[in-house]
Order: sequence, then structure tokens, then C-alpha cells
Amino acid sequence: DAKTTQPNSMESNEEEPVHLPCNHSTISGTDYIHWYRQLPSQGPEYVIHGLTSNVNNRMASLAIAEDRKSSTLILHRATLRDAAVYYCILRGLGGATNKLIFGTGTLLAVQP
Amino acid sequence: DAGVIQSPRHEVTEMGQEVTLRCKPISGHDYLFWYRQTMMRGLELLIYFNNNVPIDDSGMPEDRFSAKMPNASFSTLKIQPSEPRDSAVYFCASSLAFLAGTQYFGPGTRLTVL
Repeated sequence: DAKTTQPNSMESNEEEPVHLPCNHSTISGTDYIHWYRQLPSQGPEYVIHGLTSNVNNRMASLAIAEDRKSSTLILHRATLRDAAVYYCILRGLGGATNKLIFGTGTLLAVQP
Repeated sequence: DAGVIQSPRHEVTEMGQEVTLRCKPISGHDYLFWYRQTMMRGLELLIYFNNNVPIDDSGMPEDRFSAKMPNASFSTLKIQPSEPRDSAVYFCASSLAFLAGTQYFGPGTRLTVL
């Protein structure tokens, strides 16, 4: 499975934007980039995913580099509720690759 | 929809006892996944099913672990006999086939084996 690299931890202030980076230099052409987050004492929660183009949804934006070797999850205005571990995951397409391999993620702390 | 339902939420048992964890996926979802999370090893995929059929059980740690999905609305993960190193939070997740990367996780079962 292609590997992702994320910083162990990041800090942000409330109501400021947060950019969470992810490197995936061995990504293949059919790998989707998924982001999940895990709030304290909860199960992981889907945030966003993309293939080549930048993506936006109500939770966040995903910016994907042109060569697809890196991506950035953008939280436009961090709130205290956004404090969580954020996982960047590559997923292959179809068949037995329909599984997610979670790494260690980035622990995001949000200061009031 | 109620989301993925897991029971029990907490389980404390003694070494050597049988433990059964239960999961009800979201109605209509084709895929069901079992994960285990510990501080040391993080979040690990144990097994997943597609249309009630086990597809990949390569993450199941050893023969003491078994999982079944008798129908589309129910799955169990059984540990027999349990050991203290099995203490972890066990998550169940489900997804639709064509959105298999978008998994919906349950609240987890916190298992403590004494």
C-alpha cells in the first residue's frame, strides 16, 4: 500500500484557518486521497476525499498538488470542536483494495 | 438513520473468557469493516465483508479471533479465549459499495481483559 507522511502534531488558534499537510510521493494513478478525523473518545469520521482536482464540502477543502505527491486539508475557520487526530489515507480503486489503512495521523490542538 | 450501532459499549472480562462484540451496519450498506485501536498499534483493520462474505481477513491477529456476518444487518467479532493483550477499542464501520472509501464508524466497544 502506498504510504502517507503527516506531521505528528499541529496547533492552531480558534477562528483561524488550518492547513494540514500530507505527503504521498508513491501514490499511484488510481489512488484516491481520503481524510478522516477522530475526535476524542469517538470513532473516525469521514471528512473529504479527492482524486486529482481540489474538492470542497461543508467541513473542509482538499487541495491536491498537480503531481499528486502531496495534499493539504484546509479547515477555513478552526473551532474548538475541530481538535482531533486527522488521518490522510490513500485508497486503491475497487476489488480487494476497498480498505483504508490508517497511519498515525496529525494531532490538531485548537487554542481558544 | 441511526448510524452504525455497536454493543456493548464497554466490556470487562477475565482472561480466558469468550467475548462477543456486535455490530449493526447502516441499512443498505454493502461493506462492513472491523477495526481495532490501541495506543501502541493505532487503528488496524482486522477484517472486512462485502455482501456478507468475508473478503480480507489478513488483519485478524490469530485463530482466537473470528468474525461472522450471518445477514446484511448483523455482524459479530468473537475472541475465544480472550487475553489481556486483546484490550483495545474495537470499531465497526460500514459503507456503500460504490463509495467504499467513505466509511461510517460506530462508537466502538472498549474491551478490557483482566
